[in-house]
Amino acid sequence: QQPVQSPQAVILREGEDAVINCSSSKALYSVHWYRQKHGEAPVFLMILLKGGEQKGHEKISASFNEKKQQSSLYLTASQLSYSGTYFCGTPSSGSARQLTFGSGTQLTVLP
Amino acid sequence: DGGITQSPKYLFRKEGQNVTLSCEQNLNHDAMYWYRQDPGQGLRLIYYSQIVNDFQKGDIAEGYSVSREKKESFPLTVTSAQKNPTAFYLCASSSGPGGSYEQYFGPGTRLTVT
Repeated sequence: QQPVQSPQAVILREGEDAVINCSSSKALYSVHWYRQKHGEAPVFLMILLKGGEQKGHEKISASFNEKKQQSSLYLTASQLSYSGTYFCGTPSSGSARQLTFGSGTQLTVLP
Repeated sequence: DGGITQSPKYLFRKEGQNVTLSCEQNLNHDAMYWYRQDPGQGLRLIYYSQIVNDFQKGDIAEGYSVSREKKESFPLTVTSAQKNPTAFYLCASSSGPGGSYEQYFGPGTRLTVT
């Protein structure tokens, strides 16, 4: 079942903060975050694992609440380069081998 | 440089023709995936493969077929049975099961069928 992302779109000025949420109706053991710029491939941002472990290679923070079955991505002091569509992905029911992605949150950072 | 290549970047076909999209990776990853993306939509899984000579259907496999004869290659065939094949197709790979490992994506193939 597809995770639900909110908001669907957000527009902010350079330097402002944003939060993107991802909720699931089923128990999660991990949440993945990707960013996609228009016409390009998605790029990995972060994996949050049950137990608090995080794997990522960008200075982006996120939280993972296992009990609430949701994750939030925090973008602070936004830069123009943060613009794009952010997707969360969660392991599909009955399988740890594939992800189901949300429909995305379009983030636009204006100068 | 290690990575995933997809070719061609743009592909045009007439309705009723089968078409094969190429995906090659030199990351030595065991798992590979094919996703479809429609305008303004998320990524939907078509097929995935965890090891050579083995693959499983994803959420929208109807009208598509794949093969995994080599670790590096995972071609996708869009058959004439696919009712609405025009879309952006993305190939990805990961070093372990997709639920726990980062997925690396190729640049994508934009297929237009008229």
